[in-house]
Amino acid sequence: DAGITQSPRHKVTETGTPVTLRCHQTENHRYMYWYRQDPGHGLRLIHYSYGVKDTDKGEVSDGYSVSRSKTEDFLLTLESATSSQTSVYFCAIRAGTGINTGELFFGEGSRLTVL
Amino acid sequence: AQRVTQPEKLLSVFKGAPVELKCNYSYSGSPELFWYVQYSRQRLQLLLRHISRESIKGFTADLNKGETSFHLKKPFAQEEDSAMYYCALNNFNKFYFGSGTKLNVKP
Repeated sequence: DAGITQSPRHKVTETGTPVTLRCHQTENHRYMYWYRQDPGHGLRLIHYSYGVKDTDKGEVSDGYSVSRSKTEDFLLTLESATSSQTSVYFCAIRAGTGINTGELFFGEGSRLTVL
Repeated sequence: AQRVTQPEKLLSVFKGAPVELKCNYSYSGSPELFWYVQYSRQRLQLLLRHISRESIKGFTADLNKGETSFHLKKPFAQEEDSAMYYCALNNFNKFYFGSGTKLNVKP
């Protein structure tokens, strides 16, 4: 599992509340990613990080923010959750070296329901 | 803009039949392409990548730059191949995934 853990694994919240999902890795990988998985859309990149305090937007970043103050933790925050953000969220790390090499290892996913 | 398209949401075949999961991409440079698989109750995991030109669990995929395709093939499907399959493209460390194809292998 490449030492990736996500928390919480399941969360139910109400519209308008803030939510933070945590991704923790134990293997000191530089690149970390947040995806959401939705039927018919597959996996869509929300944000990614290429180092401590270095982050960039993905395909569907609106309504999400991220932070990476330590190599091992990558936090995804929904400032004010909406029902459209009900989804399964996956964290991933990229292993290997070089510009265009490397395999992604995924966490187990965090199922978020926004009522 | 880079994009990965998987036209089939669901593919059902009988055990022992050949299977082909389609993937088309749009990319301006030399693509790095992958197939990932998600078995029931398991994490998403790498199945194969085009630069390795390997066969994993009997699956192969060939990059066709002329047709901008990276279809996944297996000559004889097994029930344990039933899973969700995603084609993915690496664009300078941003990995983009297709919408996925659910493969159902019937006994």
